[in-house]
Amino acid sequence: DAKTTQPPSMDCAEGRAANLPCNHSTISGNEYVYWYRQIHSQGPQYIIHGLKNNETNEMASLIITEDRKSSTLILPHATLRDTAVYYCIAGAGSYQLTFGKGTKLSVIP
Amino acid sequence: DVKVTQSSRYLVKRTGEKVFLECVQDMDHENMFWYRQDPGLGLRLIYFSYDVKMKEKGDIPEGYSVSREKKERFSLILESASTNQTSMYLCASSLSRADEQYFGPGTRLTVT
Repeated sequence: DAKTTQPPSMDCAEGRAANLPCNHSTISGNEYVYWYRQIHSQGPQYIIHGLKNNETNEMASLIITEDRKSSTLILPHATLRDTAVYYCIAGAGSYQLTFGKGTKLSVIP
Repeated sequence: DVKVTQSSRYLVKRTGEKVFLECVQDMDHENMFWYRQDPGLGLRLIYFSYDVKMKEKGDIPEGYSVSREKKERFSLILESASTNQTSMYLCASSLSRADEQYFGPGTRLTVT
């Protein structure tokens, strides 16, 4: 797996967009970028993943830079229920997902 | 709706006991995984299985074994529980190698 670097914590005002950055400068060509989140005392929840192109689903958008060395997860309208630890993972597939320490996102009323 | 269930949310066992943690998925997924999660260490992969009766060691397999006799069920076994195995245990499954993983709610195991 490529190593990923995320800020340990971030705050976001309720209703605003939350932009969570991730650095994966050593990512190789066949490795995807996956995002998961974990709300306190629950199992991790899959959010989105991508290889080269930007991706969007009902939960979030994933923006990957052209050189693929970094990405940003965007929650367009953060709610209090989005308070969680967000994990950015780079890997070639399910067998190779290494969860680091993630970013603790706090959504503030 | 996707569902991964684990046999217990909380479990307390004594040192030396044999412990079974069960995981069931109803999505016909090929791959299943066992992780443990400890404060400051993130999630660490113990074992995974890519087919019935097939298994591969993850990053920290020592002290654990697994069993997958049916596609939907993946068991984690602690042959002789020790206090350093006190942890949150998470099971997950995925359809194929590049697909996302779906996690169960976790089992918080305490070994005294």
